Amino acid sequence: GAVVSQHPSWVICKSGTSVKIECRSLDFQATTMFWYRQFPKQSLMLMATSNEGSKATYEQGVEKDKFLINHASLTLSTLTVTSAHPEDSSFYICSAGFVGRRYFGPGTRLTVT
Amino acid sequence: DAKTTQPNSMESNEEEPVHLPCNHSTISGTDYIHWYRQLPSQGPEYVIHGLTSNVNNRMASLAIAEDRKSSTLILHRATLRDAAVYYCILRLLQGAQKLVFGQGTRLTINP
Repeated sequence: GAVVSQHPSWVICKSGTSVKIECRSLDFQATTMFWYRQFPKQSLMLMATSNEGSKATYEQGVEKDKFLINHASLTLSTLTVTSAHPEDSSFYICSAGFVGRRYFGPGTRLTVT
Repeated sequence: DAKTTQPNSMESNEEEPVHLPCNHSTISGTDYIHWYRQLPSQGPEYVIHGLTSNVNNRMASLAIAEDRKSSTLILHRATLRDAAVYYCILRLLQGAQKLVFGQGTRLTINP
């Protein structure tokens, strides 16, 4: 079946630095990808919809200048957490898909120290 | 978006059937009922989806009420690997509609 990969699977960074997370659709083209974040014991929260070749659409309350999304090709979307702070520590998950179902990446665990 | 209601948690025993309920009283005629599950420390995975008729696949069965206001995900013979959070989500089948997750049901399987 279709596979979505993420890189890195985990990352530790210092407060104030930026971190880039990649999401790739390995065997299909994705004009739209979705980014979620998940805190421990909580459900997934949709952050933004990433559109190939155009600007991302952010959910209410998500800072677009802090969470930069680039969808430069049909198989790659990136999420950059800028000037990360400890409260940005979370599990970030991307998703893509087409008719009928969505495929999710394995997630990236970000820890900001 | 139409809302779904699921129990916060359920518990079952290994090798027994599990029935996970979902209420969606405000479902519209074009909403499909989707189920996803999330194993610990992993991204969610698709389980099954349906519109009106009951559906079966290798993972589970989906039983949909005649008025479509509720549905039940059935795991016929639970294993320890089925321990996960199960999410019932309504969405259109076509297009790039975003998938919005509720709180889901945390399923515990006892050996």
